Amino acid sequence: SQTIHQWPATLVQPVGSPLSLECTVEGTSNPNLYWYRQAAGRGLQLLFYSVGIGQISSEVPQNLSASRPQDRQFILSSKKLLLSDSGFYLCAWSSRDTQYFGPGTRLTVL
Amino acid sequence: EDQVTQSPEALRLQEGESSSLNCSYTVSGLRGLFWYRQDPGKGPEFLFTLYSAGEEKEKERLKATLTKKESFLHITAPKPEDSATYLCAGRGYGGSQGNLIFGKGTKLSVKP
Repeated sequence: SQTIHQWPATLVQPVGSPLSLECTVEGTSNPNLYWYRQAAGRGLQLLFYSVGIGQISSEVPQNLSASRPQDRQFILSSKKLLLSDSGFYLCAWSSRDTQYFGPGTRLTVL
Repeated sequence: EDQVTQSPEALRLQEGESSSLNCSYTVSGLRGLFWYRQDPGKGPEFLFTLYSAGEEKEKERLKATLTKKESFLHITAPKPEDSATYLCAGRGYGGSQGNLIFGKGTKLSVKP
């Protein structure tokens, strides 16, 4: 069966610091991968998606970036965090139509 | 613009009191309507996918239905463990590949 992991689970970072969130998927090959952000009172916002190694599409202009160095690994990064980057970050994978979400990373920028 | 709207924002039920959650959508060329359950501090858990008007799917006390303009999640005789936020999402033919348009969710509380 397929499983998706995210780490860290929680993170507190100062403004201006770098960020690296990691997502890995097990039990499937060549999945589509997604990064979402969920802010309080708002719906899930798609940030990036990837259909293969090195292929990244950005949905929202911001100071975040994503990379896919391996088939089942997806990384979300930032060089300098802003207060507005705080939120719940979710990674998801899909095969065909349905997206399956990971446990999420709670990021607080102070 | 593609949009998904869920109502009510919050719903409080007594255990055993059946009700329905609404998801209205304006998604060009709907390719699927998805329901998820999300517990506090966790990622959404997939429940159902509906593809065409008239389709229904059931899982335990939950039944999802789809019309041409909206979807309903019916909860029959709910239990406290059904308390969660329920998310609805639509996927259309336009836009980015695999892009789901999410509603803001309905927070369900079931009291014993």
